[in-house]
Order: sequence, then structure tokens, then C-alpha cells
Amino acid sequence: KQEVTQIPAALSVPEGENLVLNCSFTDSAIYNLQWFRQDPGKGLTSLLLIQSSQREQTSGRLNASLDKSSGRSTLYIAASQPGDSATYLCAVRRDGGKLTFGQGTILTVHP
Amino acid sequence: DGGITQSPKYLFRKEGQNVTLSCEQNLNHDAMYWYRQDPGQGLRLIYYSQIVNDFQKGDIAEGYSVSREKKESFPLTVTSAQKNPTAFYLCASSIGTGGNTEAFFGQGTRLTVV
Repeated sequence: KQEVTQIPAALSVPEGENLVLNCSFTDSAIYNLQWFRQDPGKGLTSLLLIQSSQREQTSGRLNASLDKSSGRSTLYIAASQPGDSATYLCAVRRDGGKLTFGQGTILTVHP
Repeated sequence: DGGITQSPKYLFRKEGQNVTLSCEQNLNHDAMYWYRQDPGQGLRLIYYSQIVNDFQKGDIAEGYSVSREKKESFPLTVTSAQKNPTAFYLCASSIGTGGNTEAFFGQGTRLTVV
């Protein structure tokens, strides 16, 4: 059974810092991996999608890497801002398009 | 605007009642999904549908039912058999189920049992 773990569970940093969020999964037979952002009481916003054959994806200040063989992905956020404060979730796609989620990392960026 | 619309945003249910959560998408996506989110936990899959008139149980289907009569609609019914229904429910869709497909989510429905 696929299990997804995110570390750390919570992170508090001052504005301007570069930071790394970690995601690990137990079964490397995935179709792709997706990073989401969730604001309190809201739905999920897709940030980055990495296909299983890719190593990384970039969007603005965000960079996500994927090492499928070791079951790891990282989300790198450059020059963090208070508006980046949210919960970040990673999810791996398995057969049928189903997603298995980690528990999330709660990020707080303080001015 | 294209997207996924969930309604209502908040829903209160009395013990023993069935309630239905609505999910509509105008993205022309074939696949639709229902997830449940509890505080401090990741999302868990309830039901999914890869095509109209077909759906499968997810990891926690007990106490729930769905239908997929139209491509754009995938309503979820929380029945009285669901022992702990208080949670945040999220609907998602994707154009397909392959490796290059991306999931998009609605804004969620918060269900509370009173």
C-alpha cells in the first residue's frame, strides 16, 4: 500500500528565506507527483506536476524535484513571502488517476 | 470561467439523515473524484469515476454513495450509515487518468453533524 510522508509537519521562517519541503513515498510505481497549496478552509490549488519520467519542474519561485527510485520529492521555495503561508500537500498518482496524499506541511512566513 | 463548483459551502446534518453534496465541472473532464479531509490529515479517497455511468469505491467508501449520470456532475450522498461524517469534502476532476494528467479541485464543502 502506497504511503506518503511529508516532513516537516510545520515550518516557520522569516520573510526572504529559501526553504525546502520534503515528500517521500513508499512505492516507486507512480504515474506522476503533484504539489498543492491549501489556504485555511479552502480547496487545493495545483502548484506543480512532475511526470514520472521527469526530474524537476519550475514555476516562478517554486521548483519541485522528483527522484522516483528513492521515493522522494522536494519543493523548493525561493525568497519566501508572507503570502506563501499555507499548507503544502504532495500527492502521488496511482492507477485509475487516484491520488495518495501526504499529511501536509504547514508553512508560516512572518514579516 | 472554467472550473469545479461544489455546493453548499457549509452543510449541517442531523443524526440519521442522508445529505447530498453537489459537484459540477465545466472542464469537460472524464474523471471525477471525491476526497475527505479530517483535521491534521491528508485527503482520503471516497469514490471515483473514470467515465459517465461508471464509478468505483475508493479507500473509505463505507457509508457513502455516488452517481455519475452526466459527465459534468458527480454528487456524493453521505448516508446515515457513515458513523463519523463531520469533515471537509473535496471534489476533483482530471481530463483522464494517465501519467500526464493533472487534478483540479473545488473549494470544498464542510459537513457538520449536529
